[in-house]
Amino acid sequence: AQSVAQPEDQVNVAEGNPLTVKCTYSVSGNPYLFWYVQYPNRGLQFLLKYITGDNLVKGSYGFEAEFNKSQTSFHLKKPSALVSDSALYFCAVSPFSGGYNKLIFGAGTRLAVHP
Amino acid sequence: DAGVIQSPRHEVTEMGQEVTLRCKPISGHDYLFWYRQTMMRGLELLIYFNNNVPIDDSGMPEDRFSAKMPNASFSTLKIQPSEPRDSAVYFCASSLTSGRIRETQYFGPGTRLLVL
Repeated sequence: AQSVAQPEDQVNVAEGNPLTVKCTYSVSGNPYLFWYVQYPNRGLQFLLKYITGDNLVKGSYGFEAEFNKSQTSFHLKKPSALVSDSALYFCAVSPFSGGYNKLIFGAGTRLAVHP
Repeated sequence: DAGVIQSPRHEVTEMGQEVTLRCKPISGHDYLFWYRQTMMRGLELLIYFNNNVPIDDSGMPEDRFSAKMPNASFSTLKIQPSEPRDSAVYFCASSLTSGRIRETQYFGPGTRLLVL
């Protein structure tokens, strides 16, 4: 079965420290991978995506993610966390299946950045 | 661009009533998706359309739920009759597919539904 796992319900980081939010996936073929962020009472905002090419993808607000095919992972990272980064983060995968745009989301990881 | 527009933003209704949620996708996008978000089940894809045609409705919970897309700029999700367990945030998203390249889905702000 195709799935996305975000093993941590919550990640706590001090402001200024690096952060990592983990994501692993299980799909057949070559997937497209996405990270979205959700602030309270808001919709999901696109952060970045991996399609092909360089395994390190840079996105909005200083975030980046590293695609690791052998470990089937797509961890989200930021060198220096801000309090304003506190939000709910979703990893998603779009399986390569006939061009359909279906996204499978992880359960989400709540990031709390403390001053 | 105004982004994906959803209305209403909040809806409170009583069990048994009909609820209609509305979505206007980003102009030019050919895919439209309806999701439901709850604490217990997270984000669930309910149904999606391509060029106004429903492609996959396997996520629709039961016959009480129906969705339509009469034209490229408007879609509705209807619940009739509504039940308390339908209380959730409902998101609409749209995307553009260029050939076999799957593009990013852009989400609306959501409709927060409370069924009493």
